[in-house]
Amino acid sequence: GQQLNQSPQSMFIQEGEDVSMNCTSSSIFNTWLWYKQDPGEGPVLLIALYKAGELTSNGRLTAQFGITRKDSFLNISASIPSDVGIYFCAGLNYGGSQGNLIFGKGTKLSVKP
Amino acid sequence: NAGVTQTPKFQVLKTGQSMTLQCAQDMNHNSMYWYRQDPGMGLRLIYYSASEGTTDKGEVPNGYNVSRLNKREFSLRLESAAPSQTSVYFCASSQNRGTATFSYNSPLHFGNGTRLTVT
Repeated sequence: GQQLNQSPQSMFIQEGEDVSMNCTSSSIFNTWLWYKQDPGEGPVLLIALYKAGELTSNGRLTAQFGITRKDSFLNISASIPSDVGIYFCAGLNYGGSQGNLIFGKGTKLSVKP
Repeated sequence: NAGVTQTPKFQVLKTGQSMTLQCAQDMNHNSMYWYRQDPGMGLRLIYYSASEGTTDKGEVPNGYNVSRLNKREFSLRLESAAPSQTSVYFCASSQNRGTATFSYNSPLHFGNGTRLTVT
């Protein structure tokens, strides 16, 4: 079946640093979504991308829908402590009467000790 | 607005016991979903309900049943719990049109999860 490869699996950040993560797939997706999950809570939508090549920002977050439709990137600029959590990408591929939403395995962001 | 509300937040079961996880949404969404989240596995779809009165299997449906009680409520039942069902369970909803399972213009809204341990 379809799979998303999300990387890195985890990373440590120091306040003020920029952060980058990405998702890749061998399949084409129609929509890319980025979610953040805080401890003890459900994922919350950060950014939705609907067109190949689209670049969308939400505050310090910027995400791009890859031109090949097989990848997406999320960047966080000038990270702050509340950025820690797990970030999930999700790809949506719909056709016919059903859609198929696939989640990546997540990138865990922690603060550098 | 509460959004998506799940109960209970925590539950411990013994192998073979049964229980029902409850989920309700107040956003008038058509579609509802149950996911499980395991370490290193991301989110996997168990069952979904594209609209009131319909339910369909997702990626990992074995050992579960669901009921779309009305537009607001979608419950997940474990008839005979097994240790492999130890997980965090998330309910989600979205507003979809037509017969599409997911709508590109209405991403999922998640509840805060139910942490289930089966011993």
